[in-house]
Amino acid sequence: NAGVMQNPRHLVRRRGQEARLRCSPMKGHSHVYWYRQLPEEGLKFMVYLQKENIIDESGMPKERFSAEFPKEGPSILRIQQVVRGDSAAYFCASSPLAGAADTQYFGPGTRLTVL
Amino acid sequence: AQSVTQLDSQVPVFEEAPVELRCNYSSSVSVYLFWYVQYPNQGLQLLLKYLSGSTLVKGINGFEAEFNKSQTSFHLRKPSVHISDTAEYFCAVINSGGGADGLTFGKGTHLIIQP
Repeated sequence: NAGVMQNPRHLVRRRGQEARLRCSPMKGHSHVYWYRQLPEEGLKFMVYLQKENIIDESGMPKERFSAEFPKEGPSILRIQQVVRGDSAAYFCASSPLAGAADTQYFGPGTRLTVL
Repeated sequence: AQSVTQLDSQVPVFEEAPVELRCNYSSSVSVYLFWYVQYPNQGLQLLLKYLSGSTLVKGINGFEAEFNKSQTSFHLRKPSVHISDTAEYFCAVINSGGGADGLTFGKGTHLIIQP
């Protein structure tokens, strides 16, 4: 059973470009979480999605950031018009059920560098 | 809202010595508690979690943690560390009442094993 897949693993963008990060959850998991890890910081929750629904986006910046989890295909985190402050590691996690007690399984992350 | 404090950003320990990584949390609601480990350039892996019941929780790789409600702590311990334990360790909490929250993480503790 493959783990959570994220691609690309490394992404370099120039200021003003768009960054698109993909996350394929573990097989059988329909709940996806996105987190951002800034240098020397812990992970910060961004958004929680189920198939075709955004459940909680309280951690998402109000502008330039969006996320989706379509019926078919991976979850996508999109950052428009990137700025240097967006440089970070972005982690996706998935879980089989919606309960708080359920373990979230993390992917290897996408390291975004904005030049 | 919850917050997690990991007081030590770095803990150097000699190989085969015991180690304790400290974690304190603050929350207005009941929470579940987790410890994750992150090896260089990898995603997070669950070490152990406390949901209810016995306050001493055993996890993978010989780690254990003790939940202390009165001190709002969840310290991680290992009686004898190995070079392969060198990694970043994150304490995290989540609202046990459900809802759509993601995990709230501490800033992490870098465990450095010295030969």
